[in-house]
Amino acid sequence: TQTVSQSDAHVTVFEGDSVELRCNYSYGGSIYLSWYIQHHGHGLQFLLKYYSGNPVVQGVNGFEAEFSKSDSSFHLRKASVHWSDSAVYFCAVRGGGADRLTFGKGTQLIIQP
Amino acid sequence: GPKVLQIPSHQIIDMGQMVTLNCDPVSNHLYFYWYKQILGQQMEFLVNFYNGKVMEKSKLFKDQFSVERPDGSYFTLKIQPTALEDSAVYFCASSLVGGGDNYAEQFFGPGTRLTVL
Repeated sequence: TQTVSQSDAHVTVFEGDSVELRCNYSYGGSIYLSWYIQHHGHGLQFLLKYYSGNPVVQGVNGFEAEFSKSDSSFHLRKASVHWSDSAVYFCAVRGGGADRLTFGKGTQLIIQP
Repeated sequence: GPKVLQIPSHQIIDMGQMVTLNCDPVSNHLYFYWYKQILGQQMEFLVNFYNGKVMEKSKLFKDQFSVERPDGSYFTLKIQPTALEDSAVYFCASSLVGGGDNYAEQFFGPGTRLTVL
């Protein structure tokens, strides 16, 4: 069984700041990790994924995430946020061979002008 | 990009009645999913469906739930009868391929907010 923890329910930064959204997981086998974004009233949009290879993966709109096996983490980062990045961000994991995604509770990113 | 549509966006229904939630998946996708999100909680997997069959379901997928996709039309989630605890937002997703070494991005719809009174 895999679990996902997003420790911050809310993160508030100013436009232009950098941001890191935290995600920790637990699972014993090979794992697929991904991040989704949900703007208010819309469905989830895929940002990026990691399965193997380079632990730093690039996504859309300047987002990147870094996989760390030792820390069981897959934190999402952006160097300079824009007001349009205001949304809820979900980390999701999928154990090797399975289809189901297990989601974290989400982190709401609030961008102040 | 590819879009998943869900109809209706909101549904209010009396407890005990039947409800059908409709999902129009991405046209060439073969795997279909339903997830449930109770307000303020995380999204949870309900069921996935491939080649006319349920492949996997969670403990949230009660006996009152059923899914089908007749003749390539909508992928539906039917709840009969509904209960108060079924109030939630239900998200449909689809993907081109399924599990194993081929990781396939799941595309999500905007959700249907179901309120059971």
